[in-house]
Amino acid sequence: DAGVIQSPRHEVTEMGQEVTLRCKPISGHNSLFWYRQTMMRGLELLIYFNNNVPIDDSGMPEDRFSAKMPNASFSTLKIQPSEPRDSAVYFCASSFNRGGGYTFGSGTRLTVV
Amino acid sequence: QKEVEQNSGPLSVPEGAIASLNCTYSDRGSQSFFWYRQYSGKSPELIMSIYSNGDKEDGRFTAQLNKASQYVSLLIRDSQPSDSATYLCAGGSGYSTLTFGKGTMLLVSP
Repeated sequence: DAGVIQSPRHEVTEMGQEVTLRCKPISGHNSLFWYRQTMMRGLELLIYFNNNVPIDDSGMPEDRFSAKMPNASFSTLKIQPSEPRDSAVYFCASSFNRGGGYTFGSGTRLTVV
Repeated sequence: QKEVEQNSGPLSVPEGAIASLNCTYSDRGSQSFFWYRQYSGKSPELIMSIYSNGDKEDGRFTAQLNKASQYVSLLIRDSQPSDSATYLCAGGSGYSTLTFGKGTMLLVSP
């Protein structure tokens, strides 16, 4: 299996622009997670999908953030408009269930200038 | 609020020594625990899981769980410079997502 695939690996954008991060989970995994990692706050769960349905989005910082999972093999995290404080590494992870071991993608390093 | 606490380190050990990494958790409902290794600039990689009280060994790694004390640890025997990384502890249950600690940085000197 190719693992969890994320794109792009790096994204540099100007404040106010829309940013879309993409994720392909491992085939057969029914749980998908979006995390944000910073030095100060560590790994923060943004949103969790189960069987393509958003279950918990309480970690989404504000309305500028949105996430979708139109099918079992694809998810997006969108930030519109982006702000410098959104600069972080964003990870997608998938698992057979929410309490099991998660497999992380390579991450997207986002820099908003 | 569910919390997983780890000493941020760095924990410095010489090559060949035993590295001991510790973690405490607040949620008594947590049933499953995981250790992830994260190299600088890379993604977290699952290295150990433990579900029952006691020890679980896998090669040079031993995970230890004490649910009464809400304590999880990871021992790395014969530490190598390639073990230098940040180690993340995570806990959860079938009813909740995993809660991650902020990680302990381990430095193994040759």
